[in-house]
Amino acid sequence: QVTLRESGPALVKPTQTLTLTCTFSGFSLSTSGMCVSWIRQPPGKALEWLARIDWDDDKYYSTSLKTRLTISKDTSKNQVVLTMTNMDPVDTATYYCARILSGSGWNFDYWGQGTLVTVSS
Amino acid sequence: EIVLTQSPGTLSLSPGERATLSCRASQSVSSSYLAWYQQKPGQAPRLLIYGVSSRATGIPDRFSGSGSGTDFTLTISRLEPEDFAVYYCQQYGTSPRYTFGQGTKLEIK
Repeated sequence: QVTLRESGPALVKPTQTLTLTCTFSGFSLSTSGMCVSWIRQPPGKALEWLARIDWDDDKYYSTSLKTRLTISKDTSKNQVVLTMTNMDPVDTATYYCARILSGSGWNFDYWGQGTLVTVSS
Repeated sequence: EIVLTQSPGTLSLSPGERATLSCRASQSVSSSYLAWYQQKPGQAPRLLIYGVSSRATGIPDRFSGSGSGTDFTLTISRLEPEDFAVYYCQQYGTSPRYTFGQGTKLEIK
């Protein structure tokens, strides 16, 4: 059974760095073809892809946010960490992590429940 | 960057009716890499369709996808009460790797 769960602060101040952790089970990020992504959704708005990390440690970032994002993994802990620097109120959103199986179209087949992050002073 | 435009923004239908949702891409999308998701209030999105027309595990056969190139369609043949939600299309390609449409809200008439 595949599960993912996001954790991190619910409130951050402008200019601070956000660190989110995705803890997953039911698969291993050391298995060929496995990937994990982060996606966010501002309240009432559409989904926006942020970053992806692959089983071989390849990393990909949103073009518009890549200077602010870092994604990493700890395979032994079944965790993926996303950091986003210089947070701004427009970054207020629910942040999701999701699994990708490269062999089935590179889409997001399992999602965490999401964590709401509010950016406010 | 490939932009996905979904229409209509809101679709008002009754249970039992047929729903047709459109997703138009600004450039051609590989058929292997077009997916649809359903999102209900307070929940994470759920994968419905991948590779344009393949249903994800556990998705009822009243959901179907079609299209190619720049025009794609999600069809729900006979709406059930639990189908009223927001639907997103998504493509995978070159930078940026993934883009989503802005969503279509399917509401009860």
